[in-house]
Amino acid sequence: SQQGEEDPQALSIQEGENATMNCSYKTSINNLQWYRQNSGRGLVHLILIRSNEREKHSGRLRVTLDTSKKSSSLLITASRAADTASYFCATDAASGSRLTFGEGTQLTVNP
Amino acid sequence: SAVISQKPSRDICQRGTSLTIQCQVDSQVTMMFWYRQQPGQSLTLIATANQGSEATYESGFVIDKFPISRPNLTFSTLTVSNMSPEDSSIYLCSVAILTDTQYFGPGTRLTVL
Repeated sequence: SQQGEEDPQALSIQEGENATMNCSYKTSINNLQWYRQNSGRGLVHLILIRSNEREKHSGRLRVTLDTSKKSSSLLITASRAADTASYFCATDAASGSRLTFGEGTQLTVNP
Repeated sequence: SAVISQKPSRDICQRGTSLTIQCQVDSQVTMMFWYRQQPGQSLTLIATANQGSEATYESGFVIDKFPISRPNLTFSTLTVSNMSPEDSSIYLCSVAILTDTQYFGPGTRLTVL
C-alpha cells in the first residue's frame, strides 16, 4: 500500500516559473528520496534527504523535510520545458530497505 | 551510482504466456527489488530479490505468479507467469547502494493482449 500522498496531482506552469510539489507520509522514515519519470520511462534519482536533515539543494532543486509534520516539499526554480515529467517521493524505514512511493505529481511546463 | 540495464525494454505478449525480464547491474549490490507500475499509477513493490535464497514477496504478490531468481550480486530475473491483460504494466528493478540511494533500471513496458 502507498503511504505517501502528493499534492498537487497535476501542476501546469509557464517556463521560468517555480514549481512546488508536496509529499506527506504516515510512518517514521530513515530517508526520503525524490524521483523524476519521463513518459513512463525509468525513474531518475533527483535527491535524497535524511531524516535528520531539514533542507537540501541540488542545482535548481530544493528539498525540505519536516518530520514533525511528516511532509516534504520539492521546489524546482526557473522551470524549463524539459522539466515536464512525473515526480514521485519515496520513503524508506531503514537503510537499503524497500521504498514506499507517493502517488506522484504530473508537472507540465509550458514554453 | 549504479548503472542498471533491463531486457527486454518492451514486449507485447498473448494471454496465458509467460515473460522473463532480466536486470543487470554494473556492480555488486546487496539489495535488489522489483516494482510494478500500472498505467497511470505509482510504483508498488512486488518483492525483494535475495541472493541465494527465495525472494521476499509483498502482500498480494505470490511466487507462482512472479517467480524471481537472483543467482549472484549483479543479476536478477522476474517472470510474469500466465499473463492476463491486467498484468500490462511497467516493471522496474532497483538496487540500493551503500549511500542508501536507490537507483532504478529503465523499465520493461509489458502489454498483454
